[in-house]
Amino acid sequence: NAGVTQTPKFRVLKTGQSMTLLCAQDMNHEYMYWYRQDPGMGLRLIHYSVGEGTTAKGEVPDGYNVSRLKKQNFLLGLESAAPSQTSVYFCASRTGTEAFFGQGTRLTVV
Amino acid sequence: GQSLEQPSEVTAVEGAIVQINCTYQTSGFYGLSWYQQHDGGAPTFLSYNALDGLEETGRFSSFLSRSDSYGYLLLQELQMKDSASYFCVHAGAGTALIFGKGTTLSVSS
Repeated sequence: NAGVTQTPKFRVLKTGQSMTLLCAQDMNHEYMYWYRQDPGMGLRLIHYSVGEGTTAKGEVPDGYNVSRLKKQNFLLGLESAAPSQTSVYFCASRTGTEAFFGQGTRLTVV
Repeated sequence: GQSLEQPSEVTAVEGAIVQINCTYQTSGFYGLSWYQQHDGGAPTFLSYNALDGLEETGRFSSFLSRSDSYGYLLLQELQMKDSASYFCVHAGAGTALIFGKGTTLSVSS
């Protein structure tokens, strides 16, 4: 089992560019999450999904969009990247009490 | 809104016992989880408390008091490898998982 896989692992974007981060899980989990982690801020929830075709806003949703067209995939989109979106992004999935995290995507917006 | 408060840093020596506290203000409380994150790595699950009381898993224990909106993680027989960040996490209404800002534990020899 691969668990939770994030693509890409690293990316540098110019301000105003767009990109999509992909999260894939092979555990048949219903719930999936996107977080960003900045120094001293912990993990802040961007968006989450409670099942295929559903999405919901988290704590810091502005500037991001998500889609869950297939149960195993959760996509995070940045339509027009800003330097404030420089961060490490983590995806997670869970069923029951334990969440499993991907290895993170380090995004730099210049 | 929801918020979880925990100390930013804790230091201890090998073999010691350390307690990391977490107080929370939430709506639609389901339970409190704890996650560990080593520098640069992915968070990993440690424990979950839905009911009041103590849950023990090896050297780690977690406690919850719903009436006090309070929980803690207890780490015993500390080892150097326990140096990491520890997060209390609230599972609330709509199944959102909300993280505290984390406690950095430094274990010295």
